[in-house]
Order: sequence, then C-alpha cells, then structure tokens
Amino acid sequence: EPEVTQTPSHQVTQMGQEVILRCVPISNHLYFYWYRQILGQKVEFLVSFYNNEISEKSEIFDDQFSVERPDGSNFTLKIRSTKLEDSAMYFCASLAGGYSYEQYFGPGTRLTVT
Amino acid sequence: KNQVEQSPQSLIILEGKNCTLQCNYTVSPFSNLRWYKQDTGRGPVSLTIMTFSENTKSNGRYTATLDADTKQSSLHITASQLSDSASYICVVSGVEGGSQGNLIFGKGTKLSVKP
Repeated sequence: EPEVTQTPSHQVTQMGQEVILRCVPISNHLYFYWYRQILGQKVEFLVSFYNNEISEKSEIFDDQFSVERPDGSNFTLKIRSTKLEDSAMYFCASLAGGYSYEQYFGPGTRLTVT
Repeated sequence: KNQVEQSPQSLIILEGKNCTLQCNYTVSPFSNLRWYKQDTGRGPVSLTIMTFSENTKSNGRYTATLDADTKQSSLHITASQLSDSASYICVVSGVEGGSQGNLIFGKGTKLSVKP
C-alpha cells in the first residue's frame, strides 16, 4: 500500500541553524500538508500546498518557515533559523483530491533544537 | 473560536472490554469529522471520516457516531486488544471542497489496554 515517507526520522540541530525536513507524498496525490506536534500537545496545522503554491497557512507558519516541491516528488519544509520552541514532531500529509477527504500522514520527523 | 474537546483524557481498560470515547466540537463551518489512531512517536492513522449527513460509520471493531446538531461524536471500540493501546484523536475539518486544509485536532484520549 502506498505511504508517505519522511526523512530524517530524527534531526538534532543547534539554535539558529537552518533545517530542511523532507517528505515524499503518495504518488498522484495533489494536496500536501505540514503539521507539527510539540511533545505532549495536540497536532497543529502549519501549511497546505496545492498546484505549486501555498493554499493556506496558520499563524505558526511565519517568515522563518517555507515549503517547496522542488522536483515533483519531494515536499520540503525549511526552517531558516531554528529556535528552541521549534522542537517538535513534524508530520507531512498528502491528499488525493477530488472527492477524497482522506489525508495520509507520514511517520514524522522529530526535530530537537539545542 | 474553533475547538475540539475530547474526554476522557486517558482511559485504562482490560483486554476484551469495550469502551467509548467522546468528542465535542465548536467548528464552523463544518465539513467532516475524523477519528485517528496515533501510536506513540508515529503519525496519525485514519479510522473513520464522517460528513454532516452521516451519523455512524464502522471500521472493524471501531464504530464512530456523529450528531451534527449537538456537535458531538463518539468512538466505540469493541472487544479491545492490547494493540489498541494508543491515542485516539478527534479531528474536524471546517473546509468544504477539495483542499481539506487546516484540520483542527483535539488533544486525544490516551487509551491503555491491559491484559
């Protein structure tokens, strides 16, 4: 069964460094998403992406964040200058579109900022 | 403010027993409500999705109900198994149409099934 994959599974970085989290959505899916989950808290929406542009973003998704689909398969989340409070699990999800409501989530990347 | 509230926060049951988890939401407009299962350190996995016109949906031993008038949903798990131990998250989408972005998540109910 097709699945969303994410790399790396765990990323440790120093405060102020740039990180890029990578996702490979399910082939032929049209909508892509990033969510984050701070330890012990609920999952929060960051951004949705469709037709090579951001379709919606939350208040969390400020100028430090950016997303890109550079090659038609990968979907990346970049954090330009990480802060301690960026430490969280980051989940990518994809959706086929059309009449489907089903978002498929990847296994997540645990980001630790020290 | 759009919110999804779940109860109980945590629950311990014995293997083989049934349980029911509750979800109340104040999301408007409303498109659909989902229940996800999330194992520790993993991504959420969808169990059921219901639109406003559906009031019950089953997926194996999981049965979800939806009352769009009272804005309440429940997830019933029958004949629980040790592998059911996980967080169960109620998620509401307020977006009509294709993008289904900005899902609003509850905090989840942490279920522990003991032998």
